[in-house]
Amino acid sequence: DADVTQTPRNRITKTGKRIMLECSQTKGHDRMYWYRQDPGLGLRLIYYSFDVKDINKGEISDGYSVSRQAQAKFSLSLESAIPNQTALYFCATRTGENTGELFFGEGSRLTVL
Amino acid sequence: GQSLEQPSEVTAVEGAIVQINCTYQTSGFYGLSWYQQHDGGAPTFLSYNALDGLEETGRFSSFLSRSDSYGYLLLQELQMKDSASYFCAVDDNYGQNFVFGPGTRLSVLP
Repeated sequence: DADVTQTPRNRITKTGKRIMLECSQTKGHDRMYWYRQDPGLGLRLIYYSFDVKDINKGEISDGYSVSRQAQAKFSLSLESAIPNQTALYFCATRTGENTGELFFGEGSRLTVL
Repeated sequence: GQSLEQPSEVTAVEGAIVQINCTYQTSGFYGLSWYQQHDGGAPTFLSYNALDGLEETGRFSSFLSRSDSYGYLLLQELQMKDSASYFCAVDDNYGQNFVFGPGTRLSVLP
């Protein structure tokens, strides 16, 4: 089983719908991240969390919200999806030590029509 | 704010050596990482430099110069399977943030 699991892996939805992407991890890491990937733009940070009481905005948080339900779970929500939120979304975790290593989930491909 | 720059594309032949450069501007710099991503896959960690100098891991090496805000990834004895996108990333804001560069697409030709 994967250490960092994302659901759903693929989702097609319509403009205006509410969407939740879920991430769970078995690595016991405190730090969790949500990134968005678009062709040619690399990975851009949406939100990150260092524990269940800590939520921080990243570079592109507008239009997104997150919930850290437990150490192992970090969900990303799009309250009212729009077409330019069509992208590949990655959840990642890391330890509290600065090793430079993130552990990524397999990604959730979201299409907003 | 923070910004990272990398070449968008690099092409090389099997068996060759290629260097992918990364320059960065950040606050509270902790270290520079490198990741590999194959099409359709998740990024995977390759290396990390917190101090100046060269780190070697098999065919891959990574270099950092903190005074120049510059680093590079060196790939030796290129293989077809090395065709992928490579991203540099920095620990920003004293380790609180983790920011990626735009990525370099490496094509290895036979």
